[in-house]
Amino acid sequence: EIVLTQSPGTLSLSPGERATLSCRASQSVSSSYLAWYQQKPGQAPRLLIYGASNRATDIPDRFSGSGSGTDFTLTISRLEPEDFAVYYCQQYGSSPPYTFGQGTKLEIK
Amino acid sequence: EVQLLESGGGLVQPGGSLRLSCAASGFTFSTNAMSWVRQAPGKGLEWVSVIISNGGSTYSADSVKGRFTISRDNSKNTLYLQMNNVRVEDTAVYYCAKPRGQQLRYYFDYWGQGTLVTVSS
Repeated sequence: EIVLTQSPGTLSLSPGERATLSCRASQSVSSSYLAWYQQKPGQAPRLLIYGASNRATDIPDRFSGSGSGTDFTLTISRLEPEDFAVYYCQQYGSSPPYTFGQGTKLEIK
Repeated sequence: EVQLLESGGGLVQPGGSLRLSCAASGFTFSTNAMSWVRQAPGKGLEWVSVIISNGGSTYSADSVKGRFTISRDNSKNTLYLQMNNVRVEDTAVYYCAKPRGQQLRYYFDYWGQGTLVTVSS
């Protein structure tokens, strides 16, 4: 089973700043089968990125994903107030189990 | 518009049983795999189980294997999770999620709002 480790655990930034979130896998994720989700309090997760770098439908272009192998990054270029949330990565590079990272909380500084 | 509506959550005693349902609409249910993902209070996401479109194959996390059974009724556009011999650590919000991808390599493009299962005596 691939273990995903996200860092930092909490990231404190101000609106307008750039956010960089990391997701590291315990072994290589084949074909960059990695997704990112955003979750706000009391809400279901929302898909942001799939295939490491492809934005999902209706996701603003300030969100971008990159990386391959064991190291992946979610970047939010200019933070908007609605971007403060918890972010999860998920690998799907092999048959189940699918695994998620433990999450990064992005909070307002 | 894709909609996933979970129901069936509630309070159950350790060792008891519960069946969750997820009513799907807005897409062709019978041609899509479906999945359950859970989230314990204040914790992260944990994948639980997935079922392929015709129900012929299912896969589950080791933490629920032998206790939880995923199933579907394509005539009713409904997904189920039968939870038996539940434990305190099964307490979580259970999300119905629509997988996307190929050959069991799935991410989740739509999620329901979740149903809370509380296991306590």
